[in-house]
Amino acid sequence: QQQVKQSPQSLIVQKGGISIINCAYENTAFDYFPWYQQFPGKGPALLIAIRPDVSEKKEGRFTISFNKSAKQFSLHIMDSQPGDSATYFCAASSLYQLTFGKGTKLSVIP
Amino acid sequence: DAGVTQSPTHLIKTRGQHVTLRCSPISGHKSVSWYQQVLGQGPQFIFQYYEKEERGRGNFPDRFSARQFPNYSSELNVNALLLGDSALYLCASSLDAPVRGGYTFGSGTRLTVV
Repeated sequence: QQQVKQSPQSLIVQKGGISIINCAYENTAFDYFPWYQQFPGKGPALLIAIRPDVSEKKEGRFTISFNKSAKQFSLHIMDSQPGDSATYFCAASSLYQLTFGKGTKLSVIP
Repeated sequence: DAGVTQSPTHLIKTRGQHVTLRCSPISGHKSVSWYQQVLGQGPQFIFQYYEKEERGRGNFPDRFSARQFPNYSSELNVNALLLGDSALYLCASSLDAPVRGGYTFGSGTRLTVV
């Protein structure tokens, strides 16, 4: 069964700090790896994504690091802000579906 | 431009009843996918439709069905509702299928089965 394992389940970071969320996958058929941000009562919103032929992608304060041989990828949020407090999901795409991790609830405290 | 619109936003049903959820994709998007998100979990894939044809189906019972209309909008139907069907049902639209870019999700329909 396709799986994406995400850790940690919850994360508390001080304002200005770095938030790091890790994911691991098993299926080598996955060809696209997005991260989604979800606020309460809302649907997931695409944050940043990477393809397996790239080792790192940076957009503003958000960076994905991708290790194809280890089948792992991670999200780094630099200079974390209280407005970043949300649940973050990693996902992996294959053909017609996204497989999501279980989510990380990030709380950024002032 | 409007994003992905879903209706209704909230719904309460009784066990054994039937429910229909609706989704309109972003203009120009031809693919619609449905996901179920149980509280505290990541979304689980139910269906993907492209050009009115089912292109993928997740591990859900036959009580779940869907269809896509000529205008690319979609309906998700669930029969014989169980308490465990209580969840946020998300619709996602994409330009094509297989998806080469990202999915855009709606805000979902919160279904409560009592």
